Amino acid sequence: DGGITQSPKYLFRKEGQNVTLSCEQNLNHDAMYWYRQDPGQGLRLIYYSQIVNDFQKGDIAEGYSVSREKKESFPLTVTSAQKNPTAFYLCASSIKRRGVEVQPQHFGDGTRLSIL
Amino acid sequence: AQKVTQAQTEISVVEKEDVTLDCVYETRDTTYYLFWYKQPPSGELVFLIRRNSFDEQNEISGRYSWNFQKSTSSFNFTITASQVVDSAVYFCALSEARNNAGNMLTFGGGTRLMVKP
Repeated sequence: DGGITQSPKYLFRKEGQNVTLSCEQNLNHDAMYWYRQDPGQGLRLIYYSQIVNDFQKGDIAEGYSVSREKKESFPLTVTSAQKNPTAFYLCASSIKRRGVEVQPQHFGDGTRLSIL
Repeated sequence: AQKVTQAQTEISVVEKEDVTLDCVYETRDTTYYLFWYKQPPSGELVFLIRRNSFDEQNEISGRYSWNFQKSTSSFNFTITASQVVDSAVYFCALSEARNNAGNMLTFGGGTRLMVKP
């Protein structure tokens, strides 16, 4: 079945460590996105990529980094510069925009990151 | 700037009751899209509906219906005869078509719906 796979489901980080969250999709989507969700809050955009080898900062990119070397993969690294990394992270993908028609995003199951 | 407000943070109903989730949005764009997503306890967001700003027809899909009113900048979601499986967090989202090169969404804070048996 086509879909978006995020791994691991739960991740623990020690202070000062970088960690990388995996996101893989087999939907043949061009665009991919990373969101952060804090308890009781909506989703905030961290980074997005509309095409391979290109990505843009979202609203809360500080302390995060990404790469997009393959169409299927969009890993997110939470660096030690991110002072409050404990959150639920969601990856999404979508087909390309068609003119003014905004396309729906499809989401993975998420990764819950906690600080030890 | 665009903004989505879901004023109801939590709603609790008894099974078979009807329930309406409110969504109010702000945008300066004349062309925009509105979305509803469902987030069950498992965590993933499930896409429910997309509506563009030129289509004010209400939509019904089984027990779900949506009421889009541009005059009040609202896109409300009603579940008829609610079931326990409807328990989830529901998000309303907005995407401006002209001020947005991709498919970026602005989400509301979500409404947690609890349906009790």
